[in-house]
Amino acid sequence: AQSVTQLDSHVSVSEGTPVLLRCNYSSSYSPSLFWYVQHPNKGLQLLLKYTSAATLVKGINGFEAEFKKSETSFHLTKPSAHMSDAAEYFCVVRLTGGGNKLTFGTGTQLKVEL
Amino acid sequence: SQTIHQWPATLVQPVGSPLSLECTVEGTSNPNLYWYRQAAGRGLQLLFYSVGIGQISSEVPQNLSASRPQDRQFILSSKKLLLSDSGFYLCAWGEKRDYGYTFGSGTRLTVV
Repeated sequence: AQSVTQLDSHVSVSEGTPVLLRCNYSSSYSPSLFWYVQHPNKGLQLLLKYTSAATLVKGINGFEAEFKKSETSFHLTKPSAHMSDAAEYFCVVRLTGGGNKLTFGTGTQLKVEL
Repeated sequence: SQTIHQWPATLVQPVGSPLSLECTVEGTSNPNLYWYRQAAGRGLQLLFYSVGIGQISSEVPQNLSASRPQDRQFILSSKKLLLSDSGFYLCAWGEKRDYGYTFGSGTRLTVV
């Protein structure tokens, strides 16, 4: 069965410094992977998705993620954090079978400090 | 363009009362529709999904039910709410051939 593990429940960075949010996946097949962001009391917004095309995926707001099959990882990065990036981030994998169901990681809370 | 509407934004209900949350999608046809719940301090849990009118799949046995009376309408219901039903409920839609979802803005349900 497919699953994702987000390695950090909380990450704190200073504004202007790089962001790294870690995610490992488990899948018997070539997975479809996503990153979503959720600001407080809001719905989730898709940041980027990997569906077996280019391994380096660029998303919105300067975020990108690299699919590394050898490491079963799909870490999210951003060169320079902005205060508005403070939110919760979810790594997500598509499940095989009908319905295009997605399963979510437990989330990483990103804090950005001045 | 496609939009998804979910209401109400917040809801406070007494234990034992009924529940009806509605979600509608515009600008697409025959979408996959989903209900997720996000409990405090926990990740998202898929509750129900639907690939067509009247077709509902339940992922977790619980006090809730879902219905899809029209192509772009998805309703989450309960006959009698429990305290444990409190949480943030999110509706989402996805195209049949695309693997990403678009989420609604969510409903914060507090059962008291």
